[in-house]
Amino acid sequence: DQQVKQNSPSLSVQEGRISILNCDYTNSMFDYFLWYKKYPAEGPTFLISISSIKDKNEDGRFTVFLNKSAKHLSLHIVPSQPGDSAVYFCAASATDAGGTSYGKLTFGQGTILTVHP
Amino acid sequence: KAGVTQTPRYLIKTRGQQVTLSCSPISGHRSVSWYQQTPGQGLQFLFEYFSETQRNKGNFPGRFSGRQFSNSRSEMNVSTLELGDSALYLCASSVMGGARGNEQFFGPGTRLTVL
Repeated sequence: DQQVKQNSPSLSVQEGRISILNCDYTNSMFDYFLWYKKYPAEGPTFLISISSIKDKNEDGRFTVFLNKSAKHLSLHIVPSQPGDSAVYFCAASATDAGGTSYGKLTFGQGTILTVHP
Repeated sequence: KAGVTQTPRYLIKTRGQQVTLSCSPISGHRSVSWYQQTPGQGLQFLFEYFSETQRNKGNFPGRFSGRQFSNSRSEMNVSTLELGDSALYLCASSVMGGARGNEQFFGPGTRLTVL
């Protein structure tokens, strides 16, 4: 049961344009969402996060939007740069009283972003 | 601050052997989580340790185990290795390990190959 889904395996964008990466989730208990970027042979690098009490969070060129009713979030990168080319992972966590969420992130399968010069 | 470090970076073992991987978290981080990344299953949560106690565990067999030391450094062990254990093993640290602002920071991973 894949609780976090990134339906686009890949995305190709021209330098300077906007990149939009999408993510859907099914678990209503998820209340914190994160985006990570990963280069080959390296661990994921944290980019930006958003709490379920917000619908938008910005950090420089990166903006994450959360639509709770649709269980959908997206990462916007503006403007896109060739150095942004990497695999992007959406991840989610839940806060629950039972402690089953401690330290656990549930990841999507990733989207390969290629930014062409 | 120094980032999360993992040793060794690469490891080759044969079926039936056991292996121990090490992770040093960011200074001040008390929570350490372990993940397995494979092409077919993606990033899967193995377990999390906080203050030397395992607080959470994913759906992996008992051959996968771990521990955490008083300085927050963590090790994971895989016994009786199988071919399917070949994967990138990632360690991540966070301040407290909960949600809402406790972002996890990942190490470079250990690439385990089982022959």
